[in-house]
Amino acid sequence: AQKITQTQPGMFVQEKEAVTLDCTYDTSDQSYGLFWYKQPSSGEMIFLIYQGSYDEQNATEGRYSLNFQKARKSANLVISASQLGDSAMYFCAMREPYNYGQNFVFGPGTRLSVLP
Amino acid sequence: DTEVTQTPKHLVMGMTNKKSLKCEQHMGHRAMYWYKQKAKKPPELMFVYSYEKLSINESVPSRFSPECPNSSLLNLHLHALQPEDSALYLCASSQDTGYEGYEQYFGPGTRLTVT
Repeated sequence: AQKITQTQPGMFVQEKEAVTLDCTYDTSDQSYGLFWYKQPSSGEMIFLIYQGSYDEQNATEGRYSLNFQKARKSANLVISASQLGDSAMYFCAMREPYNYGQNFVFGPGTRLSVLP
Repeated sequence: DTEVTQTPKHLVMGMTNKKSLKCEQHMGHRAMYWYKQKAKKPPELMFVYSYEKLSINESVPSRFSPECPNSSLLNLHLHALQPEDSALYLCASSQDTGYEGYEQYFGPGTRLTVT
């Protein structure tokens, strides 16, 4: 069963506008971590933001924020004031610390294109 | 220093060749990972080394052979690969595998083409 779902294969956003990238996850663990990574065309995976399952506040890192709704098992990434350099693949990922068979699992990704 | 380095950046090899991919980190991390990523797909975990011991092997073909000489270095030895093994190979490290909050730091990857 897929643990991470990203329902938007591709998204377009106008420069300087905000965009939300969706992520839902499936786990029976109480303790887990949720991550967002950006992958430009160069290939390197860039860590953006982290949310722990016990964190009561939504995580924020500069222009990135995470809309965490634990009961709905969703962890959407919000990018404010989009820039042309934000065009990339975005992956949602989950870590379950004691599940060594699937310790760090990625979703299928969303390709974001920022339009000038 | 939050850098993971990988060499080479590009590799073209024949199906009868033997080659190695190298990965290095100097962040004092005790877990290192190899991922395989095909175009337009997410990375797939191949191997995890935790404290220099192989923790999992997801039934990856034996033509891929990982080696962890020490906690800073991770190699992936390649032998008798198939064209479908052509992909981006990513190395990553994290402080540990036992805590959910440890993010993985990725290297730039090696683009492998098997002819």
